[in-house]
Amino acid sequence: ETGVTQSPTHLIKTRGQQVTLRCSSQSGHNTVSWYQQALGQGPQFIFQYYREEENGRGNFPPRFSGLQFPNYSSELNVNALELDDSALYLCASSPRSREETQYFGPGTRLLVL
Amino acid sequence: AQSVTQLGSHVSVSEGALVLLRCNYSSSVPPYLFWYVQYPNQGLQLLLKYTTGATLVKGINGFEAEFKKSETSFHLTKPSAHMSDAAEYFCAVSRNTGNQFYFGTGTSLTVIP
Repeated sequence: ETGVTQSPTHLIKTRGQQVTLRCSSQSGHNTVSWYQQALGQGPQFIFQYYREEENGRGNFPPRFSGLQFPNYSSELNVNALELDDSALYLCASSPRSREETQYFGPGTRLLVL
Repeated sequence: AQSVTQLGSHVSVSEGALVLLRCNYSSSVPPYLFWYVQYPNQGLQLLLKYTTGATLVKGINGFEAEFKKSETSFHLTKPSAHMSDAAEYFCAVSRNTGNQFYFGTGTSLTVIP
């Protein structure tokens, strides 16, 4: 059974550019959540996808968007990058139920210059 | 609304000493509570979780936590610290719909030889 994988591991972009981050969920998990972890902070919930539909969103602007595919893999897209978008982006997969553990990938570290 | 407060952003203990990391939560519904550990440049790994049932929960690597509803706390303990326990620890509460997590700001644990 493979765990959650994310690509790329590191990324450098400049202000105003767009970026796409990818996540493959753990086998059997139909829910994917994305989190932003700024340096020295806890992860902040961006949004969650369940069966290809957005299922909740945190306090992030619309330039943060996502997709979930039929195989439950997911993408996080960020448009018009800002310096403050520099962070570790974590993907987590889980079954949908509230008591279920979220399994995290290793993250993508994004640096915006 | 749900939120998590971790008291003490940095904790230092001697090897072999008791580890106590504090977590208090607020939740409008019975909470589901989690502790995760993050090693440098890695994603989050589940240590333990509380959903229902026994309030003393045992996790991996000798860690345990006790859910105390009257104190709205879920403190993490380990009787004897090991050098390999040095890491960042995050407490999280699961939102009442879906399983969107709210994380604390984390506690960095240093183990002194």
